[in-house]
Amino acid sequence: LAKTTQPISMDSYEGQEVNITCSHNNIATNDYITWYQQFPSQGPRFIIQGYKTKVTNEVASLFIPADRKSSTLSLPRVSLSDTAVYYCLAYLTTSGTYKYIFGTGTRLKVLA
Amino acid sequence: NAGVTQTPKFQVLKTGQSMTLQCAQDMNHEYMSWYRQDPGMGLRLIHYSVGAGITDQGEVPNGYNVSRSTTEDFPLRLLSAAPSQTSVYFCASSYGTGENTIYFGEGSWLTVV
Repeated sequence: LAKTTQPISMDSYEGQEVNITCSHNNIATNDYITWYQQFPSQGPRFIIQGYKTKVTNEVASLFIPADRKSSTLSLPRVSLSDTAVYYCLAYLTTSGTYKYIFGTGTRLKVLA
Repeated sequence: NAGVTQTPKFQVLKTGQSMTLQCAQDMNHEYMSWYRQDPGMGLRLIHYSVGAGITDQGEVPNGYNVSRSTTEDFPLRLLSAAPSQTSVYFCASSYGTGENTIYFGEGSWLTVV
């Protein structure tokens, strides 16, 4: 079953920029790539979404190359409150059907 | 707006019992889905629906049934609860595919003893 692939975990220090890359080889042609943040005991929360090139909002940037087989979430100047699990989500095709499949997520730990 | 509403929030079941987790959304979304999340793990897709009357299996459908009789509601039924189904269950909805945001419910904590 097609899935997204991300690093399992990352550590960073406060004030640093964090980049998390996701691979999604079987992404649907017209679908967007979306990143979510999840804190313990809560549902995932939307961070940013993009189709190609670069998207920026008040909390993050998203870089997507032309082939769209991967994407990189960039968190500028992280703080302790950014410690969470980050998921990329793509509408993936498998055997002709399309499903929103989460990868394992990246557990980001921000250190003081 | 209520968004995606799940009930119950907490439930304890005995092995072999059946129950239904309710999910409702008031955003007129076509796409709805159920995920389970085991402790320290990612979300796994159980079942999903692309519209009323249409459902399909996700990654881990065994032991669960769904139906979609209306656009608003997407209940998840546990047929005969097993300890392996102890998990947090999230319902999600979105307008469709493409450029859209998936909205998640607050989760239902289920323990099977």
